[in-house]
Amino acid sequence: GIQVEQSPPDLILQEGANSTLRCNFSDSVNNLQWFHQNPWGQLINLFYIPSGTKQNGRLSATTVATERYSLLYISSSQTTDSGVYFCAVSGYGGSQGNLIFGKGTKLSVKP
Amino acid sequence: GAVVSQHPSWVICKSGTSVKIECRSLDFQATTMFWYRQFPKQSLMLMATSNEGSKATYEQGVEKDKFLINHASLTLSTLTVTSAHPEDSSFYICSARNSGANVLTFGAGSRLTVL
Repeated sequence: GIQVEQSPPDLILQEGANSTLRCNFSDSVNNLQWFHQNPWGQLINLFYIPSGTKQNGRLSATTVATERYSLLYISSSQTTDSGVYFCAVSGYGGSQGNLIFGKGTKLSVKP
Repeated sequence: GAVVSQHPSWVICKSGTSVKIECRSLDFQATTMFWYRQFPKQSLMLMATSNEGSKATYEQGVEKDKFLINHASLTLSTLTVTSAHPEDSSFYICSARNSGANVLTFGAGSRLTVL
């Protein structure tokens, strides 16, 4: 099956700093989503982005499908951005909608 | 937007008892729902795919007799952990996809603690 690798595994930022999270995947995908898991466990969908670039406020994401990677940018980070960021994908060969998750990037934003 | 509700959000039970977790799509119909499990400080792992009106499809290594899934309607799937043991303690999360869309929406999760 598809392998999903996220980097870095841990990231500590000072409030106001910018960061880039990376997601590499091993095969073609028909779905890629970025999630933020808050301290209570809720998964918040940030982007549905199997290709191209999207922006939502201080967050933006870019997926280069031909090179099998996606990037999540966080600008002017805030303490409320802390949590775990997951990249998840589904491939053409699997059950549609079945997402395979990376191990996540744990972000800690210090005041 | 699409909303998925899970209940209960947390449950504590004694070893040997069974626990049922509900997953509902509130404003859309979902022919397929997915059940994930997440152990502390780990990623989400797919357990099974729940299909409305038919048997669930389980991932390798997941015991179908232990984790009973029922998807009796287009808006409700249930996961029953039977004869629960402490090693079943985990965070269980369901998701659903609105027909015609590729985006998966997740419930808030159910934290199970087996004593």
